[in-house]
Amino acid sequence: SQKIEQNSEALNIQEGKTATLTCNYTNYSPAYLQWYRQDPGRGPVFLLLIRENEKEKRKERLKVTFDTTLKQSLFHITASQPADSATYLCALVTGFQKLVFGTGTRLLVSP
Amino acid sequence: EPEVTQTPSHQVTQMGQEVILRCVPISNHLYFYWYRQILGQKVEFLVSFYNNEISEKSEIFDDQFSVERPDGSNFTLKIRSTKLEDSAMYFCASVRVVTEAFFGQGTRLTVV
Repeated sequence: SQKIEQNSEALNIQEGKTATLTCNYTNYSPAYLQWYRQDPGRGPVFLLLIRENEKEKRKERLKVTFDTTLKQSLFHITASQPADSATYLCALVTGFQKLVFGTGTRLLVSP
Repeated sequence: EPEVTQTPSHQVTQMGQEVILRCVPISNHLYFYWYRQILGQKVEFLVSFYNNEISEKSEIFDDQFSVERPDGSNFTLKIRSTKLEDSAMYFCASVRVVTEAFFGQGTRLTVV
């Protein structure tokens, strides 16, 4: 069966450290993968998109890697800040740009 | 900055009633979606709409649900005869081409 799993439900780190979130998928062959941020009671907000032929993508303090052999994406936030505390969602793009979301990882950055 | 607008932000309805959730997608976008998120669970795809017709729908999107784009700007999700288990956040999203999805702030539907 098809699955998208994000490594943990919650991740607690200290301000200034790098947060690393994992997304693993099975029985999908996505052309690309996206990461979103979701705050409580709000809609997902797009962060980064990475295509299957790209190994790495960066945007400011964010970095995403995509390994289609391992069927895994890693999402890094460097120099994390309390304002980065949120739920981060991995999403595969299939069909008519349909997004299939993982369960999300709740990140808490402590001062 | 363009945004997707959803109304109402919160809707309370009695079981068995019909509700219509409304969305105004970003004007030059081509693909439109409804997603649902039950409290504490993941965001789930319901339906996609392209070129004025449904392009894909999930198993959740049964005969109880319908979508319309009546006037070229609004995009609506109708739920007939609501059930308790329809209580969730409903998100509308739009996509221009092969790019990121823009989500609205959601409608919290509570069926009592």
